[in-house]
Formats: sequence, structure tokens, C-alpha cells
Amino acid sequence: DTAVSQTPKYLVTQMGNDKSIKCEQNLGHDTMYWYKQDSKKFLKIMFSYNNKELIINETVPNRFSPKSPDKAHLNLHINSLELGDSAVYFCASSYGTGKETQYFGPGTRLLVL
Amino acid sequence: SQQGEEDPQALSIQEGENATMNCSYKTSINNLQWYRQNSGRGLVHLILIRSNEREKHSGRLRVTLDTSKKSSSLLITASRAADTASYFCATDGAQGAQKLVFGQGTRLTINP
Repeated sequence: DTAVSQTPKYLVTQMGNDKSIKCEQNLGHDTMYWYKQDSKKFLKIMFSYNNKELIINETVPNRFSPKSPDKAHLNLHINSLELGDSAVYFCASSYGTGKETQYFGPGTRLLVL
Repeated sequence: SQQGEEDPQALSIQEGENATMNCSYKTSINNLQWYRQNSGRGLVHLILIRSNEREKHSGRLRVTLDTSKKSSSLLITASRAADTASYFCATDGAQGAQKLVFGQGTRLTINP
């Protein structure tokens, strides 16, 4: 069984469109995260949720809106996509506050044309 | 700014040799972790070492931590082609921060 899954795996879209990425974890973790990995492999946290409550909201444009319907799911909606949004987006989960071991999904490769 | 920085950025060795990667960080930590990322995949946790530990082993992996120098190293012994991947260190950042901060990774290539 996949521990942390993301859909879709690939997303190719035009500038200005709105898109969503979904994440689900079946590990029973109470904290979930979204990361962005750029072309230079730099991995940066965007958001984290603990039991559906927003814990971390890094300096991310408000075009990005996370939503956690329950503690096993964390979705990311992106409005008005820009070229610079092209990256790989990873979902992750962990127990506790975010300092412990994190389990990553396979990533969603977003290409904005 | 980045908390952890790996060195070297890229490393290429022959199969069977040992590979050593280093990580330096800036602020006090509770723990430091190493992750592996195969091409096109998500990160996989390898080892977590706490600030009161100096060395930890897991199979062919050996991690050391020197809090006085704010540095850690990851040693992979008897490397295999399957070890080809990017390796990231992650620290828990500044006091109170409920997150991990990742370095930019070391790209390791094992040549057959």
C-alpha cells in the first residue's frame, strides 16, 4: 500500500489557469506538508497542517491555497498559474510537530507553459 | 536562508568505494536527518541523529554529528550502483520552528 500518494503525477498547463494537486496519507500521521523543489533541487517548505489546522505558512503567494479536509488529506490549489510556478511539488507527512521523520509522496511535476 | 548546506554538490566514484558527504548548518538543532532522492522520486528518510548523539549506523550508512562545528557527515561504505541518488541533510532549524530545513543536496554517482 502506498504510504503517501499524490495526484496527478504530471501536470502541464497554460499560464493563467487554476489547478489542484491532491495528497493522501495512510500512515495515521497528524501532520502534513507541501514542499516545492525547484530546478536546482532546492526543497522548500510551503505549508504544514497539524490535525487540519494550519501551522506553517511560509512566504508563499496567496495564489497558493492549501486545504485539509481531514488529517489524512492535504490538497493544494493554485490560482492564476505563472511560469515560475513550474517545479516539483511534494507532499509529506509525519507524527508530531515537523521535527521528526517525514515521509514523502512521489511528487507532482508541474509545467506551466 | 538555508540551514543546511551539503558539500560537495556532486560526487562521482567507482562502485565499491566509500562515499562521504558533508553537511554544515547554522543554528542550534534538536536533530539532523539525512534523506535520499532517486531521480524522479520523492525523498526517502535514511537516518535521524539527535543533538546528544555523535555517531549512528544503519547498514552501510554511518552518520556523524559534531555540534561544536555545526556539521554532520554521511558515509556510505562499499558503494553500489543503486546508491546513485541525491542526498539531503535536513535540520529542525531555529528554536521553536516546527519544520525541517533542507540543504541543496549532494548528487552522488556510482560508476560501475
